[in-house]
Amino acid sequence: DGGITQSPKYLFRKEGQNVTLSCEQNLNHDAMYWYRQDPGQGLRLIYYSQIVNDFQKGDIAEGYSVSREKKESFPLTVTSAQKNPTAFYLCASSMGAGTGSSPLHFGNGTRLTVT
Amino acid sequence: QKEVEQDPGPLSVPEGAIVSLNCTYSNSAFQYFMWYRQYSRKGPELLMYTYSSGNKEDGRFTAQVDKSSKYISLFIRDSQPSDSATYLCAMSLDSNYQLIWGAGTKLIIKP
Repeated sequence: DGGITQSPKYLFRKEGQNVTLSCEQNLNHDAMYWYRQDPGQGLRLIYYSQIVNDFQKGDIAEGYSVSREKKESFPLTVTSAQKNPTAFYLCASSMGAGTGSSPLHFGNGTRLTVT
Repeated sequence: QKEVEQDPGPLSVPEGAIVSLNCTYSNSAFQYFMWYRQYSRKGPELLMYTYSSGNKEDGRFTAQVDKSSKYISLFIRDSQPSDSATYLCAMSLDSNYQLIWGAGTKLIIKP
Protein backbone atom coordinates (compact mmCIF):
# COMPACT_ATOMS: atom_id res chain seq x y z
CA ASP A 1 0.00 0.00 0.00
CA GLY A 2 1.26 3.46 -0.87
CA GLY A 3 1.35 6.02 1.86
CA ILE A 4 3.28 8.21 4.24
CA THR A 5 5.04 6.81 7.27
CA GLN A 6 5.91 9.02 10.20
CA SER A 7 7.98 7.77 13.07
CA PRO A 8 7.96 7.61 15.96
CA LYS A 9 4.29 8.03 16.91
CA TYR A 10 5.21 9.52 20.31
CA LEU A 11 8.46 11.27 21.21
CA PHE A 12 9.60 12.69 24.52
CA ARG A 13 12.58 14.98 24.89
CA LYS A 14 14.18 17.21 27.47
CA GLU A 15 14.33 20.93 26.88
CA GLY A 16 17.51 21.98 25.08
CA GLN A 17 17.81 18.82 22.98
CA ASN A 18 17.42 18.71 19.23
CA VAL A 19 15.11 16.00 17.90
CA THR A 20 14.51 14.67 14.38
CA LEU A 21 11.13 13.46 13.15
CA SER A 22 11.09 10.99 10.29
CA CYS A 23 8.80 11.14 7.24
CA GLU A 24 8.94 8.68 4.34
CA GLN A 25 6.56 8.40 1.37
CA ASN A 26 6.24 5.78 -1.36
CA LEU A 27 3.62 7.63 -3.41
CA ASN A 28 6.22 9.03 -5.83
CA HIS A 29 5.02 12.53 -4.96
CA ASP A 30 7.19 15.51 -5.78
CA ALA A 31 6.05 17.81 -2.98
CA MET A 32 6.34 17.21 0.75
CA TYR A 33 5.26 19.33 3.69
CA TRP A 34 5.57 19.62 7.44
CA TYR A 35 2.69 21.02 9.45
CA ARG A 36 2.25 21.67 13.13
CA GLN A 37 -1.17 21.16 14.77
CA ASP A 38 -2.03 22.73 18.12
CA PRO A 39 -5.41 22.58 19.89
CA GLY A 40 -7.78 25.29 18.71
CA GLN A 41 -5.57 26.30 15.79
CA GLY A 42 -5.50 25.41 12.14
CA LEU A 43 -2.63 23.49 10.63
CA ARG A 44 0.40 25.74 10.32
CA LEU A 45 3.00 25.17 7.64
CA ILE A 46 6.57 24.80 8.85
CA TYR A 47 8.50 23.88 5.69
CA TYR A 48 7.73 22.50 2.28
CA SER A 49 9.73 21.04 -0.58
CA GLN A 50 8.62 20.75 -4.19
CA ILE A 51 11.74 19.06 -5.49
CA VAL A 52 14.76 17.18 -4.17
CA ASN A 53 17.49 19.38 -2.68
CA ASP A 54 15.18 22.39 -2.48
CA PHE A 55 12.82 23.54 0.26
CA GLN A 56 11.08 26.72 1.38
CA LYS A 57 10.12 28.14 4.75
CA GLY A 58 6.49 28.13 5.68
CA ASP A 59 4.74 30.42 8.13
CA ILE A 60 6.46 29.18 11.30
CA ALA A 61 9.93 27.95 10.26
CA GLU A 62 11.88 29.52 13.14
CA GLY A 63 13.48 26.86 15.32
CA TYR A 64 13.04 24.10 12.73
CA SER A 65 15.22 22.70 9.96
CA VAL A 66 14.66 20.18 7.15
CA SER A 67 16.52 18.36 4.40
CA ARG A 68 15.36 16.77 1.15
CA GLU A 69 18.18 14.57 -0.08
CA LYS A 70 15.84 11.91 -1.48
CA LYS A 71 12.43 12.19 -3.09
CA GLU A 72 10.97 9.75 -0.56
CA SER A 73 12.27 11.37 2.61
CA PHE A 74 11.74 14.73 4.31
CA PRO A 75 12.99 14.69 7.94
CA LEU A 76 12.22 17.57 10.28
CA THR A 77 14.60 18.63 13.06
CA VAL A 78 13.12 20.51 15.99
CA THR A 79 15.99 22.49 17.44
CA SER A 80 16.48 23.88 20.93
CA ALA A 81 15.74 27.33 19.45
CA GLN A 82 12.06 26.43 19.02
CA LYS A 83 10.44 28.09 22.02
CA ASN A 84 7.31 25.96 22.25
CA PRO A 85 8.02 22.61 20.55
CA THR A 86 5.37 20.45 22.22
CA ALA A 87 2.81 19.75 19.48
CA PHE A 88 1.42 17.24 17.00
CA TYR A 89 3.53 17.22 13.83
CA LEU A 90 2.07 16.12 10.51
CA CYS A 91 3.95 15.28 7.34
CA ALA A 92 2.15 15.39 4.00
CA SER A 93 2.87 14.94 0.32
CA SER A 94 1.19 15.84 -2.96
CA MET A 95 1.77 15.49 -6.68
CA GLY A 96 1.76 19.28 -7.03
CA ALA A 97 0.76 22.27 -4.92
CA GLY A 98 -1.64 21.62 -2.06
CA THR A 99 -5.00 22.20 -3.68
CA GLY A 100 -7.92 19.86 -4.10
CA SER A 101 -6.81 19.06 -7.64
CA SER A 102 -3.62 17.71 -6.11
CA PRO A 103 -4.75 16.72 -2.64
CA LEU A 104 -2.50 16.43 0.36
CA HIS A 105 -1.86 12.91 1.68
CA PHE A 106 -0.99 12.93 5.36
CA GLY A 107 0.90 10.61 7.63
CA ASN A 108 -0.51 9.76 11.05
CA GLY A 109 1.63 12.27 12.86
CA THR A 110 4.23 12.39 15.61
CA ARG A 111 3.25 13.75 18.99
CA LEU A 112 6.29 15.49 20.47
CA THR A 113 6.42 16.35 24.15
CA VAL A 114 9.29 18.45 25.47
CA THR A 115 9.71 18.88 29.22
CA GLN B 1 -9.00 38.29 12.88
CA LYS B 2 -8.09 34.89 11.48
CA GLU B 3 -8.29 34.41 7.71
CA VAL B 4 -10.47 31.33 8.18
CA GLU B 5 -12.86 30.94 11.11
CA GLN B 6 -14.36 27.64 12.17
CA ASP B 7 -16.34 26.84 15.31
CA PRO B 8 -14.32 24.24 17.27
CA GLY B 9 -17.43 22.56 18.75
CA PRO B 10 -17.88 19.90 19.87
CA LEU B 11 -21.06 19.46 17.87
CA SER B 12 -23.05 16.51 19.18
CA VAL B 13 -26.00 15.14 17.20
CA PRO B 14 -28.02 11.89 17.19
CA GLU B 15 -27.40 9.22 14.58
CA GLY B 16 -29.38 9.83 11.40
CA ALA B 17 -29.45 13.61 11.77
CA ILE B 18 -28.36 16.04 9.07
CA VAL B 19 -25.14 17.77 10.08
CA SER B 20 -24.09 21.22 8.92
CA LEU B 21 -20.48 22.31 9.36
CA ASN B 22 -19.35 25.79 8.38
CA CYS B 23 -16.36 28.05 7.80
CA THR B 24 -16.19 31.75 7.12
CA TYR B 25 -13.26 33.50 5.52
CA SER B 26 -12.05 37.03 5.00
CA ASN B 27 -10.08 36.88 1.73
CA SER B 28 -12.46 37.15 -1.22
CA ALA B 29 -9.68 35.95 -3.56
CA PHE B 30 -9.84 32.34 -2.30
CA GLN B 31 -10.82 30.01 -5.14
CA TYR B 32 -10.15 26.45 -3.96
CA PHE B 33 -12.10 25.09 -1.01
CA MET B 34 -11.58 21.76 0.69
CA TRP B 35 -12.91 19.72 3.57
CA TYR B 36 -10.66 17.24 5.33
CA ARG B 37 -11.73 14.71 7.93
CA GLN B 38 -9.40 13.82 10.80
CA TYR B 39 -9.99 10.89 13.12
CA SER B 40 -8.45 10.99 16.57
CA ARG B 41 -4.65 10.54 16.54
CA LYS B 42 -4.62 10.23 12.74
CA GLY B 43 -3.69 12.49 9.84
CA PRO B 44 -6.40 14.40 7.91
CA GLU B 45 -7.83 12.92 4.71
CA LEU B 46 -9.45 14.83 1.86
CA LEU B 47 -13.23 14.53 1.89
CA MET B 48 -14.50 17.12 -0.56
CA TYR B 49 -13.06 19.66 -2.95
CA THR B 50 -14.80 22.59 -4.66
CA TYR B 51 -13.44 25.12 -7.07
CA SER B 52 -15.00 28.60 -6.94
CA SER B 53 -18.72 28.71 -6.16
CA GLY B 54 -21.47 26.15 -6.17
CA ASN B 55 -22.33 22.78 -4.72
CA LYS B 56 -20.69 19.39 -4.97
CA GLU B 57 -22.24 16.15 -3.83
CA ASP B 58 -20.56 12.83 -3.03
CA GLY B 59 -22.78 10.21 -1.45
CA ARG B 60 -23.98 11.49 1.91
CA PHE B 61 -21.73 14.56 1.74
CA THR B 62 -22.47 17.91 0.08
CA ALA B 63 -20.04 20.80 -0.04
CA GLN B 64 -21.37 24.28 -0.68
CA VAL B 65 -19.51 27.53 -1.40
CA ASP B 66 -21.11 30.97 -1.15
CA LYS B 67 -18.45 33.42 -2.31
CA SER B 68 -20.73 36.46 -1.94
CA SER B 69 -21.03 35.72 1.79
CA LYS B 70 -17.52 34.27 2.11
CA TYR B 71 -18.96 31.16 3.66
CA ILE B 72 -18.52 27.44 2.99
CA SER B 73 -20.53 24.52 4.33
CA LEU B 74 -20.32 20.76 4.54
CA PHE B 75 -23.57 18.85 4.95
CA ILE B 76 -23.67 15.23 6.08
CA ARG B 77 -26.94 13.35 5.56
CA ASP B 78 -27.96 10.28 7.53
CA SER B 79 -25.05 10.78 9.91
CA GLN B 80 -23.36 7.66 11.32
CA PRO B 81 -21.25 7.11 14.46
CA SER B 82 -18.33 6.50 12.08
CA ASP B 83 -18.65 10.14 10.98
CA SER B 84 -17.45 11.20 14.45
CA ALA B 85 -14.22 13.07 13.74
CA THR B 86 -12.79 16.55 13.45
CA TYR B 87 -13.63 18.30 10.18
CA LEU B 88 -11.13 20.82 8.87
CA CYS B 89 -11.83 23.34 6.14
CA ALA B 90 -8.98 24.60 4.00
CA MET B 91 -8.73 27.03 1.13
CA SER B 92 -6.20 28.58 -1.22
CA LEU B 93 -5.86 31.41 -3.69
CA ASP B 94 -4.86 29.30 -6.67
CA SER B 95 -3.11 26.09 -7.53
CA ASN B 96 0.35 27.45 -6.70
CA TYR B 97 -0.49 28.71 -3.24
CA GLN B 98 -0.41 26.88 0.04
CA LEU B 99 -3.55 26.07 1.96
CA ILE B 100 -4.99 28.20 4.76
CA TRP B 101 -6.69 26.03 7.37
CA GLY B 102 -9.57 26.42 9.76
CA ALA B 103 -9.06 25.17 13.32
CA GLY B 104 -11.47 22.26 12.83
CA THR B 105 -14.88 21.33 14.25
CA LYS B 106 -15.15 18.24 16.42
CA LEU B 107 -18.27 16.26 15.49
CA ILE B 108 -19.80 13.57 17.70
CA ILE B 109 -22.58 11.33 16.35
CA LYS B 110 -24.44 9.62 19.19
CA PRO B 111 -25.83 6.12 18.47
